[in-house]
Amino acid sequence: QVRLMQSGAEVKKPGASVKVSCKTSGYTFTDYYFHWLRQAPGQGLEWMGWINANSGATNYAQNFQGRVTMTRDTSISTAYMELSRLISDDTAVYYCARNPEWHFDYWGQGTLVTVSS
Amino acid sequence: EIVLTQSPGTLSLSPGERATLSCRASQSVSSSYLAWYQQKPGQAPRLLIYGASSRATGIPDRFSGSGSGTDFTLTISRLEPEDFAVYYCQQYVGSVTFGGGTKVEIK
Repeated sequence: QVRLMQSGAEVKKPGASVKVSCKTSGYTFTDYYFHWLRQAPGQGLEWMGWINANSGATNYAQNFQGRVTMTRDTSISTAYMELSRLISDDTAVYYCARNPEWHFDYWGQGTLVTVSS
Repeated sequence: EIVLTQSPGTLSLSPGERATLSCRASQSVSSSYLAWYQQKPGQAPRLLIYGASSRATGIPDRFSGSGSGTDFTLTISRLEPEDFAVYYCQQYVGSVTFGGGTKVEIK
């Protein structure tokens, strides 16, 4: 079965960077795009961008350009999202999601990133 | 960027009742690009409907989606106890945006 397993919770200080991983199984990793999204406490969903798992091409949402980097390692079927220059407003649950067409059919379980001094 | 507005913000209903959730887009969205998700506390969103009206794998037929252009609807024909949750619509035209969500709560 398809599974997306994310790395564990992180606590970071303002100005630091965080890197979240999303390990996949149960299907051919390079057949799909991956998107990263986040959800601040009690808030809605915010899209961060995507990576083409085959080519490695990326497209970042304007709000995150210059601060986010999405990569992947096809040898271990894992996607990564790194967010730099963290501020308190970056405290959120970060999700990876598989993108078959224009929607997201499988999601990781989420990774809580807390930014606090 | 396309803005999605969901209404109502909260829907208070009893099990067995019908729920009708609205999602309005700031500009026309092809039906192919509109999806609905359910989210329960502490869980990731779950895909319910894609292409405005196609049910995702394993989704019960009490969930249905309809609409076109700027107005889309998610209908739950008879609410089951496990259906009380927050529901989001999502579009993907160039960039991805979500509506603010509708909370379906027990009356």
